[in-house]
Amino acid sequence: AQSVAQPEDQVNVAEGNPLTVKCTYSVSGNPYLFWYVQYPNRGLQFLLKYITGDNLVKGSYGFEAEFNKSQTSFHLKKPSALVSDSALYFCAVRDSLGGADGLTFGKGTHLIIQP
Amino acid sequence: AAGVIQSPRHLIKEKRETATLKCYPIPRHDTVYWYQQGPGQDPQFLISFYEKMQSDKGSIPDRFSAQQFSDYHSELNMSSLELGDSALYFCASSPRDHNYGYTFGSGTRLTVV
Repeated sequence: AQSVAQPEDQVNVAEGNPLTVKCTYSVSGNPYLFWYVQYPNRGLQFLLKYITGDNLVKGSYGFEAEFNKSQTSFHLKKPSALVSDSALYFCAVRDSLGGADGLTFGKGTHLIIQP
Repeated sequence: AAGVIQSPRHLIKEKRETATLKCYPIPRHDTVYWYQQGPGQDPQFLISFYEKMQSDKGSIPDRFSAQQFSDYHSELNMSSLELGDSALYFCASSPRDHNYGYTFGSGTRLTVV
């Protein structure tokens, strides 16, 4: 079975400061990991993914994430936060084993960037 | 660039009524996925289709059914609607090698009253 944990319901960061949104996962095989952002009453927008290769993945809007196999983590980061980054962020995983198609999402983390 | 199109954007139904949601995937995407996101909840996988055949099944209630047509669009049919079915329903599409990522539509907000 595949699962994702986002331990923080909310993260508050001052504009211009670095931000981190945490995500840990559990899979039987190799993980395929994704980050999505959701603005109020909007769909899920793709930010970045890790499939294989370099552990540091760069994505949209200046976001990046680091895959850490030993810690089973895939934390989302950005060097300098913008007020417009305020949104709901979801980490998602799909297991390479078991043939499952669907992504399993974490509960989401509200990111609030304060001016 | 073309995106995943969902219709309608909003839908209000009464209890015990039926609803049909439609999803038009990105051109050349042959796999479609349906997700349900309740208020304040994370998206839950319902069902997926590849080449018009059901590919995987998640937490889809027996009252719901779905299919994919020859033009790859998909429809989610919901019967005997309950208040708890009120949610945002997302469709996503991908090539079969879905490791390239899933593209989500803007969703259909279903309200059951």
